[in-house]
Amino acid sequence: AQTVTQSQPEMSVQEAETVTLSCTYDTSENNYYLFWYKQPPSRQMILVIRQEAYKQQNATENRFSVNFQKAAKSFSLKISDSQLGDTAMYFCAPPGGGADGLTFGKGTHLIIQP
Amino acid sequence: EPEVTQTPSHQVTQMGQEVILRCVPISNHLYFYWYRQILGQKVEFLVSFYNNEISEKSEIFDDQFSVERPDGSNFTLKIRSTKLEDSAMYFCASNEEGFANEKLFFGSGTQLSVL
Repeated sequence: AQTVTQSQPEMSVQEAETVTLSCTYDTSENNYYLFWYKQPPSRQMILVIRQEAYKQQNATENRFSVNFQKAAKSFSLKISDSQLGDTAMYFCAPPGGGADGLTFGKGTHLIIQP
Repeated sequence: EPEVTQTPSHQVTQMGQEVILRCVPISNHLYFYWYRQILGQKVEFLVSFYNNEISEKSEIFDDQFSVERPDGSNFTLKIRSTKLEDSAMYFCASNEEGFANEKLFFGSGTQLSVL
């Protein structure tokens, strides 16, 4: 199994601030996708953003963007203009290798304060 | 957007009982997965399934666990004799082409409580 490190167990920011969640990983794949999933209190797993490793351009989805450093195997998520509804667990997910889908990090609990 | 559906949303069982968790993957998907998440912990891979057989399984997926695609639409996870430590949220997921290059579509999970 591949390793994934999310070094921030919990983060708290004020509404409208920008926050960056970090993720580093290890993989033997060369062409792959990386994902950030959000898990709100309902515990449903919701895809936030996807990055293709062979693309140099960082992925962006509205207020969500990534900073992907392939050589460093770093894949951070930036949330701009944070909203109360962004409060959730955020899981980084690089490929698991083989047929096991994805390997998830331990998650970062993000709390948006009003 | 098409959805993966899981039933039931909550399941309570006595230790030692058998449980079957049910999933209906998205209809044109070929790869199916089960993950579990113990409360407060990360999402862990259990098993992947393709072409009516297990592709890969984790150490968690021991002889007490089995998966089946009984009819071409359902994908089930059976736990033969539940233990207290099996209490967790179980997520079914599917995708079209499998593993590293594609997002997983997750169901909303089944919360299993073993008493």
